[in-house]
Amino acid sequence: AQTVTQSQPEMSVQEAETVTLSCTYDTSESDYYLFWYKQPPSRQMILVIRQEAYKQQNATENRFSVNFQKAAKSFSLKISDSQLGDAAMYFCASTYNNNDMRFGAGTRLTVKP
Amino acid sequence: GAVVSQHPSWVICKSGTSVKIECRSLDFQATTMFWYRQFPKQSLMLMATSNEGSKATYEQGVEKDKFLINHASLTLSTLTVTSAHPEDSSFYICSARDRDRGYEQYFGPGTRLTVT
Repeated sequence: AQTVTQSQPEMSVQEAETVTLSCTYDTSESDYYLFWYKQPPSRQMILVIRQEAYKQQNATENRFSVNFQKAAKSFSLKISDSQLGDAAMYFCASTYNNNDMRFGAGTRLTVKP
Repeated sequence: GAVVSQHPSWVICKSGTSVKIECRSLDFQATTMFWYRQFPKQSLMLMATSNEGSKATYEQGVEKDKFLINHASLTLSTLTVTSAHPEDSSFYICSARDRDRGYEQYFGPGTRLTVT
């Protein structure tokens, strides 16, 4: 079984600053995938970034990057140069072997102008 | 590419009636679709996994007779909430997996169900 834990219910960041959202997971699988999703008020799930566990290099997508610590089972998301449009719920998720996706409880990010 | 639609986006029904929600993959074939339920300010909770041409697999605690799932084709899965009650009011989200892309899931925009 997989579990995903997000210990920060809410986070706040000043516009143009950097913020890091934490996520830990637990799995006995060797081949798995990790994701960060953004859910704005529209509630459409938007993929922010993905990481294949077999890749040692941390994934990066423009202002979004992850710190993937496989041994520690940690997968944090860093948002650089935060923008007002980044305000949303962020969910960490994992999946393996074409199975279903498991989500963390979510972190609500507020961006202050 | 990889677009998933849901219909309707919002539905209001009376207690005791049934309501059907459709999930379609518009530009790819989805051998597996997933149905999630999300309460306000909470995370997504998997309800069931739907494979084309076979019976859905329900998560523990989800009433299969209440939440009927049919995955009749590679592009369509339906969730029918039977004899709906106010406590069934929630946001329902489907996702679809593209068999050519392996682990990727693509999410629909969700359906808000309100039972009065």
